[in-house]
Amino acid sequence: EVQLVQSGAEVKKPGESLKISCKASGNSFNTYWIGWVRQMPGKGLEWMGIIYPLYSETKYSPSFQGQVTISADMSITTAYLQWSSLKASDTGMYYCATPSDSNDSGPFHHWGQGTLVTVSS
Amino acid sequence: QSALTQPASVSGSPGQSITISCTGNYKFFSDYNYVSWYQQHPGKAPKLMIYDVNKRPSGVSDRFSGSKSGNTASLTISGLQAEDEADYYCTSLKTNSIWVFGGGTKVTVL
Repeated sequence: EVQLVQSGAEVKKPGESLKISCKASGNSFNTYWIGWVRQMPGKGLEWMGIIYPLYSETKYSPSFQGQVTISADMSITTAYLQWSSLKASDTGMYYCATPSDSNDSGPFHHWGQGTLVTVSS
Repeated sequence: QSALTQPASVSGSPGQSITISCTGNYKFFSDYNYVSWYQQHPGKAPKLMIYDVNKRPSGVSDRFSGSKSGNTASLTISGLQAEDEADYYCTSLKTNSIWVFGGGTKVTVL
């Protein structure tokens, strides 16, 4: 069974950097796309981007291109989502997720528990 | 403005059937079967309910069904139950490996 375990909640100030993680187990991490989804408080789901760890190939939604960086470390089967300079509008819940079939970019059959990011001065 | 349009809310009484629509005006949506639906209860991670328009993952009740005609996809919940009260999101492949979500529909069981 595929499991995605995300890092814990974060409280940051505007302008700070942040890297949150998502550790995968139960699948061949290198050959499964793994993605990130944002949910701002009281709002809907937003598809942010995905990475194919074997080639470090990334795809970003135009809304998030240049705003975040998605990366992965195959040696520890972990994907990351990072910000270089947080804004208050980055506050939200962030989910990692992965499809059930290797080489498919979606849909997401398996989800992490979410990481709450709060950015406030 | 989401690329996929859903009604903000749908309601029904226990035992009834309801249908949630999802409209997408781009080529990948109408020409391919890359439409999926997620259910999300408050404070929980989303759960995949339907994929490839009408396929159910293992463990999902057969009360949930999906269909698509042209640029509109639909999720139907039959025999509505209290536990079905949740937010529902459609999603579709927009372009090469990039997906998009609809704005979400709140389902209320009266």
